[in-house]
Amino acid sequence: QKEVEQDPGPLSVPEGAIVSLNCTYSNSAFQYFMWYRQYSRKGPELLMYTYSSGNKEDGRFTAQVDKSSKYISLFIRDSQPSDSATYLCAMSDGNAGNMLTFGGGTRLMVKP
Amino acid sequence: DVKVTQSSRYLVKRTGEKVFLECVQDMDHENMFWYRQDPGLGLRLIYFSYDVKMKEKGDIPEGYSVSREKKERFSLILESASTNQTSMYLCASRGGGQDQETQYFGPGTRLLVL
Repeated sequence: QKEVEQDPGPLSVPEGAIVSLNCTYSNSAFQYFMWYRQYSRKGPELLMYTYSSGNKEDGRFTAQVDKSSKYISLFIRDSQPSDSATYLCAMSDGNAGNMLTFGGGTRLMVKP
Repeated sequence: DVKVTQSSRYLVKRTGEKVFLECVQDMDHENMFWYRQDPGLGLRLIYFSYDVKMKEKGDIPEGYSVSREKKERFSLILESASTNQTSMYLCASRGGGQDQETQYFGPGTRLLVL
């Protein structure tokens, strides 16, 4: 079993839909959580960063962490075709050199 | 803005060739990383470096080596390229302080080994 699980998709939604992307993990020591967006043939770019449990909002994006369930989510409101990309979750326990453990990524397609 | 650049976007090499992939960051970050990304396997860490001339093996170091002679530059070397090293190679850097968990990625090098 992988340490971080992420549905690979693809997830196809119409423009304007609310998108929910999720990751589950098994290591209860993880306390730093990130979402990266990766456009086709490009490097990942940091989208959201949260520490411990709770919500964080940035424009149309909301990151949610539920450490008790070992579950994190990224919500995208009013999705746009420009949101079409692969979304990677990543997490760290803050120790051992602060290595990141990545999910495999979910490919999202927002159709006009 | 943090900027991480990689020397090539696309490379085509032949089996047995020695391949150099270079990465440069402009944020004075101590930590730099090399990953490969393959469909269905996600990002896998090859090597990382936490200081000049320092290096540590990641999860899949076999067939690779690295060099960090200057703080801003981290090179990945494929000693003798093989077809199973065809992949997307991503370099990343990470700073310290409040930003110590976040890695910033370059645009990637897509390597094809024939």
